[in-house]
Amino acid sequence: EDQVTQSPEALRLQEGESSSLNCSYTVSGLRGLFWYRQDPGKGPEFLFTLYSAGEEKEKERLKATLTKKESFLHITAPKPEDSATYLCAVRTSDTGNQFYFGTGTSLTVIP
Amino acid sequence: EAGVAQSPRYKIIEKRQSVAFWCNPISGHATLYWYQQILGQGPKLLIQFQNNGVVDDSQLPKDRFSAERLKGVDSTLKIQPAKLEDSAVYLCASSPRGAFAYEQYFGPGTRLTVT
Repeated sequence: EDQVTQSPEALRLQEGESSSLNCSYTVSGLRGLFWYRQDPGKGPEFLFTLYSAGEEKEKERLKATLTKKESFLHITAPKPEDSATYLCAVRTSDTGNQFYFGTGTSLTVIP
Repeated sequence: EAGVAQSPRYKIIEKRQSVAFWCNPISGHATLYWYQQILGQGPKLLIQFQNNGVVDDSQLPKDRFSAERLKGVDSTLKIQPAKLEDSAVYLCASSPRGAFAYEQYFGPGTRLTVT
């Protein structure tokens, strides 16, 4: 069965303390891996799409990377406004148009 | 550009009652998705439309859930009858490209509580 696992479940960082979030997947026929940010009471906000191993994308303090088994979301010098839940999702070719989301990492950045 | 609109934002019903949610996607977006997000979990895709046709509804509990997208724009998701386990946030998303597009834009969701 296809699986998307995110770790850690929760992460507390001091402002300026860089770290990485992990998304590992065991799907067949990956067609894309996506990162979203979700603030409390809101819908997910699209951040990145990665299609192939070795690909990297950056946006402000965030950088997403992809290997054949996992993706990392690196957060450099985070600020309190980066506090949110970060979700990753995969789309597979073996299951038609299905998207599978992980359960997310809840990030808290302390001033 | 206006985002994805959903209503109502909150709904409380008793089990066995019916409920409907409405979604208006971003103008011009051909693809529309409905997700169910249970507290502490990631969103689960229920149904995907391309214009007004269903692309995938493999995870929609069809004995109680139904969805339609008339004229390829607005969409409604209905639950009849509701069960306690249907308590969740129902998210609508839209995408500017075809059925295999990846950038989804989400609405704020409707929080459903079934008592």
